[in-house]
Amino acid sequence: EPEVTQTPSHQVTQMGQEVILRCVPISNHLYFYWYRQILGQKVEFLVSFYNNEISEKSEIFDDQFSVERPDGSNFTLKIRSTKLEDSAMYFCASGLQGGNQPQHFGDGTRLSIL
Amino acid sequence: DQQVKQNSPSLSVQEGRISILNCDYTNSMFDYFLWYKKYPAEGPTFLISISSIKDKNEDGRFTVFLNKSAKHLSLHIVPSQPGDSAVYFCAARIQDSNYQLIWGAGTKLIIKP
Repeated sequence: EPEVTQTPSHQVTQMGQEVILRCVPISNHLYFYWYRQILGQKVEFLVSFYNNEISEKSEIFDDQFSVERPDGSNFTLKIRSTKLEDSAMYFCASGLQGGNQPQHFGDGTRLSIL
Repeated sequence: DQQVKQNSPSLSVQEGRISILNCDYTNSMFDYFLWYKKYPAEGPTFLISISSIKDKNEDGRFTVFLNKSAKHLSLHIVPSQPGDSAVYFCAARIQDSNYQLIWGAGTKLIIKP
């Protein structure tokens, strides 16, 4: 069964450094998402991406965050200047369509900011 | 933000019996609901969904019931199996406006042998 894959599984970064989290969505999917889960808290939406542009973003997704689909397969989340509070599990998801279609998730990247 | 609530942090069920996981919501603009299962160190895995125009959806051992008037949905697993032990998340989508999912806090289901 096709899967969403995320790399790396664990990223440790010094505060203030830039970090790029990578995702390969399911190949025929058109909608892409990033979510995060801070330890002990709920899963939170960050951003959705369709047709090479952001379709929606949450308040969390401020100017320090950006997403890109640099080629036909990868979908990346960049955090420009990381803060301690960015430490979380980051999940990438993709969907065949928007609307009433499920989103399929990768196994996540654990981001630890020191 | 308590738009989607899963009030039971954990639930223990005997193998072979029915597991019932509950979810309440407050936003009447939700029109699509999903259940995900999550094992440790893995991402959420989609289980089953239901549109707000339905009150029941069934897929094998999994059935989701939606009571719109009560703003309540439930996931039934029958019969429960050891591999069902996981954290179950309820998620909801707001009608038309966007595709983001609003998540509950999850319920840890433990299936006892």
